[in-house]
Amino acid sequence: DAGVTQSPTHLIKTRGQQVTLRCSPKSGHDTVSWYQQALGQGPQFIFQYYEEEERQRGNFPDRFSGHQFPNYSSELNVNALLLGDSALYLCASSFYNTGELFFGEGSRLTVL
Amino acid sequence: AQKVTQAQTEISVVEKEDVTLDCVYETRDTTYYLFWYKQPPSGELVFLIRRNSFDEQNEISGRYSWNFQKSTSSFNFTITASQVVDSAVYFCALSEATARWGKLQFGAGTQVVVTP
Repeated sequence: DAGVTQSPTHLIKTRGQQVTLRCSPKSGHDTVSWYQQALGQGPQFIFQYYEEEERQRGNFPDRFSGHQFPNYSSELNVNALLLGDSALYLCASSFYNTGELFFGEGSRLTVL
Repeated sequence: AQKVTQAQTEISVVEKEDVTLDCVYETRDTTYYLFWYKQPPSGELVFLIRRNSFDEQNEISGRYSWNFQKSTSSFNFTITASQVVDSAVYFCALSEATARWGKLQFGAGTQVVVTP
């Protein structure tokens, strides 16, 4: 039974570019949440998707957007990258009615 | 606004010593959930425990135990007889009652280093 998988694991972009990160939830899970974790800090909630809709959003600008597909997988898009967007981006999945999140190993984004 | 404070940035112990991690939280909600997660070098956050605000009973699960005190807004976590494999960053997190939504407020984390 595969857990939460994320791709790519590492990537490097330059300022102003756009990036798309992908997440496949744990088998059977229908809800996906995204977090940003800067170096040495705790994860910060970006947003959550359920039934292909954004259900909650953290304090992130509109440059951060997402999508959930019918198979429950999800994408995180970040436009107009800034140096400060360099971080580990974590995806977590869960069943809609439970609070236990299962996390992937993350996508490490470096913006130069 | 919700806030989670982990004042300890790093704790170093020798194997078999006990480790206690402090967590203080702030919330205006009367119903909430508290969590502890472990993050090994691989980056994946691993769920350890969850408690709701109505249950202050402290329990032990294997080598893990926790002390939840609403009066002081603290949710401390103890690893008994630490092992090298316990070396990781530990995060305390807080969530509103609708925990199923997955919106957790994390603390800054405490790095635990266990040496043989």
